[in-house]
Amino acid sequence: SQQGEEDPQALSIQEGENATMNCSYKTSINNLQWYRQNSGRGLVHLILIRSNEREKHSGRLRVTLDTSKKSSSLLITASRAADTASYFCATDAGRKETSGSRLTFGEGTQLTVNP
Amino acid sequence: DARVTQTPRHKVTEMGQEVTMRCQPILGHNTVFWYRQTMMQGLELLAYFRNRAPLDDSGMPKDRFSAEMPDATLATLKIQPSEPRDSAVYFCASGFPGGSGSKAGELFFGEGSRLTVL
Repeated sequence: SQQGEEDPQALSIQEGENATMNCSYKTSINNLQWYRQNSGRGLVHLILIRSNEREKHSGRLRVTLDTSKKSSSLLITASRAADTASYFCATDAGRKETSGSRLTFGEGTQLTVNP
Repeated sequence: DARVTQTPRHKVTEMGQEVTMRCQPILGHNTVFWYRQTMMQGLELLAYFRNRAPLDDSGMPKDRFSAEMPDATLATLKIQPSEPRDSAVYFCASGFPGGSGSKAGELFFGEGSRLTVL
């Protein structure tokens, strides 16, 4: 069964708009990660947020984590057509010293950014 | 740039045939994962290795799937005999769990092997 569940399943926006994707999970985690997958390609790591962090930024990406609600959100600001891809959250419920031991992926959000 | 390399990228075979997929993890990474991706099931963890030792292969159908890591530069996933329901994209990923730095725990994925079993 999937640990993380993304919402929405699909999102279509115009270039320049912001895109927000949400992820909910069920068990305690060590960290939560977001990955991107272009059609026909492998997954690419975007950002990792640890259980003791609440917010993290990387370029146009902003990730928040609310462990009390077991949820995370990924915000892409000023979206571009090149941001069109599937975005997955992945939870790491392993021990800190073995973080990355077993990532469980959600089903993903398909983002389409229209030029 | 260091990358995970998977071969073949595409494979079409007939039911009952043996299929072997290969993966070269990033040098220095001590953990290797095999994932399978389908439209219906999403990304499923099949097996993973730490320092070449299998740690968990509970996600793998044991009767037909086998995963090995004969050396630090090669991981293999074998299906024998293959069935149409095995059609999927198989991803290999490597990482260094427990490493230092802000990205410790990050996985690096290969481009995948797309398998079609007729």
